[in-house]
Amino acid sequence: EPEVTQTPSHQVTQMGQEVILRCVPISNHLYFYWYRQILGQKVEFLVSFYNNEISEKSEIFDDQFSVERPDGSNFTLKIRSTKLEDSAMYFCASSQGGFDGYTFGSGTRLTVV
Amino acid sequence: QQQVKQSPQSLIVQKGGISIINCAYENTAFDYFPWYQQFPGKGPALLIAIRPDVSEKKEGRFTISFNKSAKQFSLHIMDSQPGDSATYFCAANTGTASKLTFGTGTRLQVTL
Repeated sequence: EPEVTQTPSHQVTQMGQEVILRCVPISNHLYFYWYRQILGQKVEFLVSFYNNEISEKSEIFDDQFSVERPDGSNFTLKIRSTKLEDSAMYFCASSQGGFDGYTFGSGTRLTVV
Repeated sequence: QQQVKQSPQSLIVQKGGISIINCAYENTAFDYFPWYQQFPGKGPALLIAIRPDVSEKKEGRFTISFNKSAKQFSLHIMDSQPGDSATYFCAANTGTASKLTFGTGTRLQVTL
Protein backbone atom coordinates (compact mmCIF):
# COMPACT_ATOMS: atom_id res chain seq x y z
CA GLU A 1 0.00 0.00 0.00
CA PRO A 2 1.38 3.45 -0.89
CA GLU A 3 2.64 5.45 2.03
CA VAL A 4 3.85 8.90 2.97
CA THR A 5 7.49 8.84 4.04
CA GLN A 6 8.93 11.33 6.51
CA THR A 7 12.55 11.93 7.47
CA PRO A 8 14.11 12.15 9.94
CA SER A 9 12.00 10.27 12.46
CA HIS A 10 13.51 12.28 15.29
CA GLN A 11 15.41 15.56 15.26
CA VAL A 12 16.94 17.41 18.16
CA THR A 13 17.91 21.02 17.57
CA GLN A 14 19.03 23.98 19.59
CA MET A 15 16.73 26.94 20.07
CA GLY A 16 17.23 29.48 17.29
CA GLN A 17 18.47 26.96 14.76
CA GLU A 18 16.81 26.26 11.44
CA VAL A 19 15.33 22.85 10.76
CA ILE A 20 13.97 21.26 7.62
CA LEU A 21 11.54 18.39 7.87
CA ARG A 22 11.19 16.26 4.78
CA CYS A 23 8.32 14.32 3.32
CA VAL A 24 7.73 12.21 0.25
CA PRO A 25 3.98 12.19 -0.44
CA ILE A 26 2.17 9.48 -2.36
CA SER A 27 3.12 9.91 -5.99
CA ASN A 28 -0.30 10.54 -7.58
CA HIS A 29 -1.59 12.79 -4.81
CA LEU A 30 -2.14 16.46 -5.54
CA TYR A 31 -2.69 18.01 -2.11
CA PHE A 32 -0.07 18.16 0.59
CA TYR A 33 -0.32 19.13 4.24
CA TRP A 34 1.62 19.61 7.42
CA TYR A 35 0.05 19.05 10.82
CA ARG A 36 1.58 19.01 14.24
CA GLN A 37 0.76 17.28 17.50
CA ILE A 38 2.16 18.49 20.79
CA LEU A 39 2.65 15.53 23.12
CA GLY A 40 -0.67 14.20 24.35
CA GLN A 41 -2.72 16.81 22.54
CA LYS A 42 -4.82 16.89 19.42
CA VAL A 43 -3.55 17.08 15.87
CA GLU A 44 -3.45 20.67 14.59
CA PHE A 45 -3.44 21.90 11.01
CA LEU A 46 -0.48 24.00 9.89
CA VAL A 47 -0.64 24.41 6.12
CA SER A 48 -2.00 22.96 2.90
CA PHE A 49 -0.28 23.12 -0.47
CA TYR A 50 -1.70 22.63 -3.93
CA ASN A 51 -0.49 23.46 -7.41
CA ASN A 52 2.81 24.73 -6.06
CA GLU A 53 1.37 27.25 -3.70
CA ILE A 54 -0.06 27.48 -0.19
CA SER A 55 -3.83 27.07 -0.31
CA GLU A 56 -4.51 27.59 3.38
CA LYS A 57 -2.53 28.15 6.55
CA SER A 58 -3.32 28.36 10.23
CA GLU A 59 -2.42 31.02 12.78
CA ILE A 60 0.40 28.74 13.95
CA PHE A 61 2.05 28.96 10.52
CA ASP A 62 3.72 32.34 10.96
CA ASP A 63 6.67 33.90 9.20
CA GLN A 64 9.04 31.43 10.86
CA PHE A 65 7.52 28.61 8.83
CA SER A 66 7.76 27.92 5.12
CA VAL A 67 6.97 25.03 2.81
CA GLU A 68 8.43 24.01 -0.47
CA ARG A 69 8.07 21.32 -3.09
CA PRO A 70 11.55 21.56 -4.58
CA ASP A 71 11.09 18.73 -7.06
CA GLY A 72 8.40 16.32 -8.16
CA SER A 73 8.59 14.13 -5.11
CA ASN A 74 9.66 15.98 -1.94
CA PHE A 75 7.65 18.32 0.24
CA THR A 76 9.48 20.17 3.00
CA LEU A 77 8.63 22.19 6.08
CA LYS A 78 11.25 24.71 7.24
CA ILE A 79 11.28 26.37 10.61
CA ARG A 80 13.69 29.29 10.42
CA SER A 81 14.46 29.95 14.07
CA THR A 82 13.13 27.24 16.33
CA LYS A 83 11.56 27.95 19.70
CA LEU A 84 11.07 25.61 22.64
CA GLU A 85 7.33 25.58 21.93
CA ASP A 86 7.96 24.18 18.43
CA SER A 87 8.74 20.84 20.08
CA ALA A 88 6.09 18.46 18.73
CA MET A 89 5.40 15.62 16.31
CA TYR A 90 5.10 16.98 12.80
CA PHE A 91 3.01 14.97 10.39
CA CYS A 92 3.02 15.28 6.63
CA ALA A 93 -0.09 14.13 4.77
CA SER A 94 -1.22 13.90 1.19
CA SER A 95 -4.54 13.50 -0.57
CA GLN A 96 -5.88 12.92 -4.04
CA GLY A 97 -8.60 15.45 -3.32
CA GLY A 98 -11.56 13.09 -3.28
CA PHE A 99 -13.38 11.68 -0.28
CA ASP A 100 -10.84 8.94 0.27
CA GLY A 101 -9.26 10.85 3.08
CA TYR A 102 -5.72 11.79 3.80
CA THR A 103 -2.75 9.51 4.21
CA PHE A 104 -0.48 10.60 7.04
CA GLY A 105 3.20 9.84 7.44
CA SER A 106 4.64 8.41 10.65
CA GLY A 107 5.85 11.82 11.71
CA THR A 108 9.04 13.59 12.74
CA ARG A 109 9.51 14.17 16.44
CA LEU A 110 11.13 17.58 16.78
CA THR A 111 12.76 18.37 20.10
CA VAL A 112 14.02 21.92 20.61
CA VAL A 113 16.47 22.29 23.49
CA GLN B 1 -17.28 27.32 15.46
CA GLN B 2 -14.48 25.31 13.90
CA GLN B 3 -14.13 23.05 16.94
CA VAL B 4 -14.96 19.39 17.09
CA LYS B 5 -15.68 18.23 20.65
CA GLN B 6 -14.84 14.64 21.49
CA SER B 7 -15.67 12.48 24.50
CA PRO B 8 -14.69 10.62 26.53
CA GLN B 9 -11.03 11.50 26.95
CA SER B 10 -10.23 7.92 27.89
CA LEU B 11 -12.12 4.65 27.82
CA ILE B 12 -11.47 1.21 29.25
CA VAL B 13 -13.45 -1.65 27.73
CA GLN B 14 -13.26 -5.38 28.32
CA LYS B 15 -12.40 -7.66 25.44
CA GLY B 16 -15.53 -8.43 23.48
CA GLY B 17 -17.33 -5.31 24.65
CA ILE B 18 -18.55 -2.31 22.67
CA SER B 19 -16.48 0.88 22.62
CA ILE B 20 -18.38 4.09 21.92
CA ILE B 21 -16.75 7.45 21.24
CA ASN B 22 -18.78 10.58 20.60
CA CYS B 23 -18.12 13.80 18.71
CA ALA B 24 -20.08 16.99 18.21
CA TYR B 25 -19.54 19.89 15.84
CA GLU B 26 -20.93 23.36 15.25
CA ASN B 27 -19.91 24.22 11.72
CA THR B 28 -22.76 23.15 9.41
CA ALA B 29 -20.42 23.51 6.42
CA PHE B 30 -18.58 20.36 7.49
CA ASP B 31 -19.43 17.59 5.04
CA TYR B 32 -16.88 14.86 5.63
CA PHE B 33 -16.37 13.13 8.95
CA PRO B 34 -13.49 10.66 9.24
CA TRP B 35 -12.24 8.73 12.23
CA TYR B 36 -8.53 8.16 12.65
CA GLN B 37 -6.73 5.56 14.72
CA GLN B 38 -3.30 6.38 16.10
CA PHE B 39 -0.83 4.02 17.74
CA PRO B 40 2.04 5.41 19.82
CA GLY B 41 4.82 6.85 17.66
CA LYS B 42 2.76 6.56 14.49
CA GLY B 43 0.73 8.92 12.37
CA PRO B 44 -3.06 8.90 12.34
CA ALA B 45 -4.49 6.23 10.05
CA LEU B 46 -7.90 6.57 8.44
CA LEU B 47 -10.29 4.05 9.97
CA ILE B 48 -13.69 4.88 8.56
CA ALA B 49 -15.45 8.00 7.27
CA ILE B 50 -18.97 9.21 6.58
CA ARG B 51 -20.68 11.98 4.68
CA PRO B 52 -23.85 13.63 5.99
CA ASP B 53 -26.14 12.11 3.37
CA VAL B 54 -26.21 8.82 5.31
CA SER B 55 -26.97 8.13 8.96
CA GLU B 56 -24.78 5.08 9.42
CA LYS B 57 -21.78 3.40 7.86
CA LYS B 58 -20.40 0.04 8.85
CA GLU B 59 -17.06 -1.51 7.98
CA GLY B 60 -16.37 -4.77 9.74
CA ARG B 61 -16.46 -4.16 13.51
CA PHE B 62 -16.45 -0.38 13.10
CA THR B 63 -19.63 1.67 12.67
CA ILE B 64 -20.15 5.41 12.40
CA SER B 65 -23.54 6.76 13.44
CA PHE B 66 -24.34 10.25 12.20
CA ASN B 67 -27.07 12.58 13.44
CA LYS B 68 -27.17 15.62 11.20
CA SER B 69 -29.87 17.48 13.12
CA ALA B 70 -28.00 17.11 16.40
CA LYS B 71 -24.63 17.74 14.73
CA GLN B 72 -23.20 14.66 16.37
CA PHE B 73 -21.46 11.54 15.19
CA SER B 74 -20.06 8.55 16.98
CA LEU B 75 -17.77 5.59 16.48
CA HIS B 76 -18.83 2.17 17.70
CA ILE B 77 -16.28 -0.62 17.92
CA MET B 78 -18.03 -3.97 18.28
CA ASP B 79 -16.31 -6.98 19.85
CA SER B 80 -13.42 -4.79 21.00
CA GLN B 81 -10.02 -6.48 20.96
CA PRO B 82 -6.74 -5.69 22.76
CA GLY B 83 -5.29 -4.78 19.35
CA ASP B 84 -7.82 -1.94 19.17
CA SER B 85 -6.06 -0.21 22.07
CA ALA B 86 -5.02 3.12 20.55
CA THR B 87 -5.99 6.77 20.47
CA TYR B 88 -8.99 7.59 18.29
CA PHE B 89 -9.59 10.99 16.75
CA CYS B 90 -12.72 12.20 15.07
CA ALA B 91 -12.29 14.91 12.48
CA ALA B 92 -14.24 16.99 10.02
CA ASN B 93 -13.67 19.16 7.01
CA THR B 94 -15.61 21.26 4.56
CA GLY B 95 -14.42 19.95 1.27
CA THR B 96 -12.60 17.18 -0.42
CA ALA B 97 -9.15 18.59 0.19
CA SER B 98 -9.63 21.21 2.88
CA LYS B 99 -7.97 21.16 6.27
CA LEU B 100 -9.11 18.63 8.82
CA THR B 101 -10.28 19.83 12.21
CA PHE B 102 -9.55 17.14 14.77
CA GLY B 103 -11.23 16.30 18.02
CA THR B 104 -9.15 16.07 21.17
CA GLY B 105 -8.77 12.30 20.99
CA THR B 106 -9.91 9.30 23.05
CA ARG B 107 -7.40 6.88 24.48
CA LEU B 108 -9.00 3.44 24.32
CA GLN B 109 -7.70 0.54 26.35
CA VAL B 110 -9.18 -2.90 25.77
CA THR B 111 -8.46 -5.25 28.66
CA LEU B 112 -8.42 -9.05 28.62
